[in-house]
Amino acid sequence: DGGITQSPKYLFRKEGQNVTLSCEQNLNHDAMYWYRQDPGQGLRLIYYSQIVNDFQKGDIAEGYSVSREKKESFPLTVTSAQKNPTAFYLCASSNRQGYEQYFGPGTRLTVT
Amino acid sequence: RKEVEQDPGPFNVPEGATVAFNCTYSNSASQSFFWYRQDCRKEPKLLMSVYSSGNEDGRFTAQLNRASQYISLLIRDSKLSDSATYLCVVNQAGTALIFGKGTTLSVSS
Repeated sequence: DGGITQSPKYLFRKEGQNVTLSCEQNLNHDAMYWYRQDPGQGLRLIYYSQIVNDFQKGDIAEGYSVSREKKESFPLTVTSAQKNPTAFYLCASSNRQGYEQYFGPGTRLTVT
Repeated sequence: RKEVEQDPGPFNVPEGATVAFNCTYSNSASQSFFWYRQDCRKEPKLLMSVYSSGNEDGRFTAQLNRASQYISLLIRDSKLSDSATYLCVVNQAGTALIFGKGTTLSVSS
């Protein structure tokens, strides 16, 4: 089955710790994206990547980092510099920039 | 002005009702338009793309008015399973998609 996987589904961390969220796709899509969603809010773009070894900051990149070493993988690291890391994190991919995006099931991160 | 604006609702309708959602976008250079559906605590899923000529998929009809920078989604014969949040999504040339905050629909029996 083709699709996007994110793991884990739920993640709990102590304040001050870095944490890495996994995103893998087997759709052969070039572009991948990370979004954050807070309760009652829309999706906000954190980072996106159009090709391997290249990525751009989105609207709220501060406190986050990414890498794109393989076409299939786009992990997101939430660093201790992120002031309010507790949120629902969604990874998406698309065939090309601006085309419809397909989402993974998301990771709910809780930092206490 | 927000880039993509939607009435947040909630829209509370009985089964069988027809309901319409509207969305406005601010950038006239926008090229692609979509409606996504998001169930509670789940990921958004593509419902339909929106074409200039309008398009229909079963009970769902999407319309685009470029002159007014306005997109609509019409749901006919609402089902309980249509209860969800509907996201209006717009692409500005060469950039990532811009998501509206969504309109919540609740269909009751």
